[in-house]
Amino acid sequence: AQTVTQSQPEMSVQEAETVTLSCTYDTSESDYYLFWYKQPPSRQMILVIRQEAYKQQNATENRFSVNFQKAAKSFSLKISDSQLGDAAMYFCAYRSQYNFNKFYFGSGTKLNVKP
Amino acid sequence: ETGVTQTPRHLVMGMTNKKSLKCEQHLGHNAMYWYKQSAKKPLELMFVYNFKEQTENNSVPSRFSPECPNSSHLFLHLHTLQPEDSALYLCASSPDLGNTEAFFGQGTRLTVV
Repeated sequence: AQTVTQSQPEMSVQEAETVTLSCTYDTSESDYYLFWYKQPPSRQMILVIRQEAYKQQNATENRFSVNFQKAAKSFSLKISDSQLGDAAMYFCAYRSQYNFNKFYFGSGTKLNVKP
Repeated sequence: ETGVTQTPRHLVMGMTNKKSLKCEQHLGHNAMYWYKQSAKKPLELMFVYNFKEQTENNSVPSRFSPECPNSSHLFLHLHTLQPEDSALYLCASSPDLGNTEAFFGQGTRLTVV
């Protein structure tokens, strides 16, 4: 079974600094999709960034980038120039390409941004 | 606002009550999902519907009963729940079951007393 692990329940970063959130996953599949979602206090999950496993190039979306290490089954999120609005819960997610019903999330990392 | 609306936002119910959670999307999506979010635990995928047909039941107790009358609406009927069922219940939709990401609603905060 696929599992997603986020080992950092909570992290803090100073405004304008850079922070990296960790995610590892367990799978025997070779093709899949990985996502980072943000859940602000409003509770609505918002997609931050996605990565296709067949792509070697790390995805980037403005201040957000990932470090995808397929062999290590690691998918970390780097937030550069942190802003107060980045404070939220961040969830890492895995989606199988072979069984699209299998869409798994980690337990989340709470990010605090200090002014 | 992602186009997925859940009602009610908050619900308190007794263990003998029957209630329903509603999810609605007008994004033209064909796949809809129910997730359970408990503190400090991974989101738990409960049910998946594709074109109104249930394609996944992730070993969910029968006290949770989903219903998908059409591709735009998804319900979660609740009866004889337990206090440990208290959680945030999230609905999501996606264009299909392919590689696209899911769009989430704001959830229903359920408290069972």
